[in-house]
Amino acid sequence: AQTVTQSQPEMSVQEAETVTLSCTYDTSENNYYLFWYKQPPSRQMILVIRQEAYKQQNATENRFSVNFQKAAKSFSLKISDSQLGDTAMYFCAFMKPPSGNTPLVFGKGTRLSVIA
Amino acid sequence: DSGVTQTPKHLITATGQRVTLRCSPRSGDLSVYWYQQSLDQGLQFLIQYYNGEERAKGNILERFSAQQFPDLHSELNLSSLELGDSALYFCASSDDRGYSGANVLTFGAGSRLTVL
Repeated sequence: AQTVTQSQPEMSVQEAETVTLSCTYDTSENNYYLFWYKQPPSRQMILVIRQEAYKQQNATENRFSVNFQKAAKSFSLKISDSQLGDTAMYFCAFMKPPSGNTPLVFGKGTRLSVIA
Repeated sequence: DSGVTQTPKHLITATGQRVTLRCSPRSGDLSVYWYQQSLDQGLQFLIQYYNGEERAKGNILERFSAQQFPDLHSELNLSSLELGDSALYFCASSDDRGYSGANVLTFGAGSRLTVL
């Protein structure tokens, strides 16, 4: 079974600074999908960014980018120019193909606090 | 508004009781997933339905059951409730059409169940 590990239960960052959240996963699959979801205090789960394992280029969405290291099975999230609204729980998630038949497997999350 | 509607938002009940949580997926989405999030924990996959059929099953207790109806809405039934069933229950939907090679799950706002 696939597992997702987030080794940082809590992190904090000053507003406007950069922070990196770590995620590692375990799988024997060669092709799969990785995601970062954000859960603000409202509890809504919001997709931040996704990455297909067959794509070598790291995904980027505005201030959010990932560092995908397939051989190391590592998928870290970098948040640049942190804003107070980035305060949330961040969950790393894994999905194996065929994606229509498998659920997302989540890590336990990292609680990020952005400090003014 | 994600387009996935969950009712009720909050529910308080007593041990031994039975409750039903309802989910309406985003328009056009055929798959519905149910997840359980206990206090400050990650999301645990319960069950997935696709176009009315059960497609994948996670660590769902025998006291829990679910179904997806012809209009694609889904219900999660929780019976013989215990204190430990108190959690946030999320529904998510996806279109399973392989958009960008990965099915992106869109989450509802969750139903918070408190068992006293």
